[in-house]
Amino acid sequence: KAGVTQTPRYLIKTRGQQVTLSCSPISGHRSVSWYQQTPGQGLQFLFEYFSETQRNKGNFPGRFSGRQFSNSRSEMNVSTLELGDSALYLCASSAAGLSYNEQFFGPGTRLTVL
Amino acid sequence: AQTVTQSQPEMSVQEAETVTLSCTYDTSESDYYLFWYKQPPSRQMILVIRQEAYKQQNATENRFSVNFQKAAKSFSLKISDSQLGDAAMYFCAYRSTGTSGSRLTFGEGTQLTVNP
Repeated sequence: KAGVTQTPRYLIKTRGQQVTLSCSPISGHRSVSWYQQTPGQGLQFLFEYFSETQRNKGNFPGRFSGRQFSNSRSEMNVSTLELGDSALYLCASSAAGLSYNEQFFGPGTRLTVL
Repeated sequence: AQTVTQSQPEMSVQEAETVTLSCTYDTSESDYYLFWYKQPPSRQMILVIRQEAYKQQNATENRFSVNFQKAAKSFSLKISDSQLGDAAMYFCAYRSTGTSGSRLTFGEGTQLTVNP
């Protein structure tokens, strides 16, 4: 079974631009969660999608948004990029998003904002 | 809100020796899950071990074991017979069993170095 894939793996943008990151979960998984990892703030939860609905959201500004498609693939979008948005963005999938379901992480997308 | 604290930013161990990584957490919930994840230089997060709070028995996975002290809200990871491949950043994480779905709350991480 293929693992969680994220595209692109690396991205360079300039301030003010917007960016879209993609995450394809493991086949059959319906829950996708997104995390931001920075040296200063560590790993922070962005949001979770389950069956195309946002189920949970972290404390991030409205510039961060996401969606999930019927095939469970998920995208996150960041508008009006700021330097502080430079980070590794990780997504994780699980079968049903239940608390006992194991989450599997993708390799991440490294976003650099100049 | 739950918080997770890892007070050791860096640890080192000699190959074949044993090392213990510390983690404490704060929660008002009685049922939850705790995890240790490993993040090697490749940045791929890998689940090392997990513990259900309602289980008193400490979880074990080969060379990895935990010391779960629910009353003290402590969850340490012991790595026995350390190997060079164990070198990585280790994160302690908490997940509620409530309505928060798959949300994980992570600690700051401990960078483990394994010396040959």
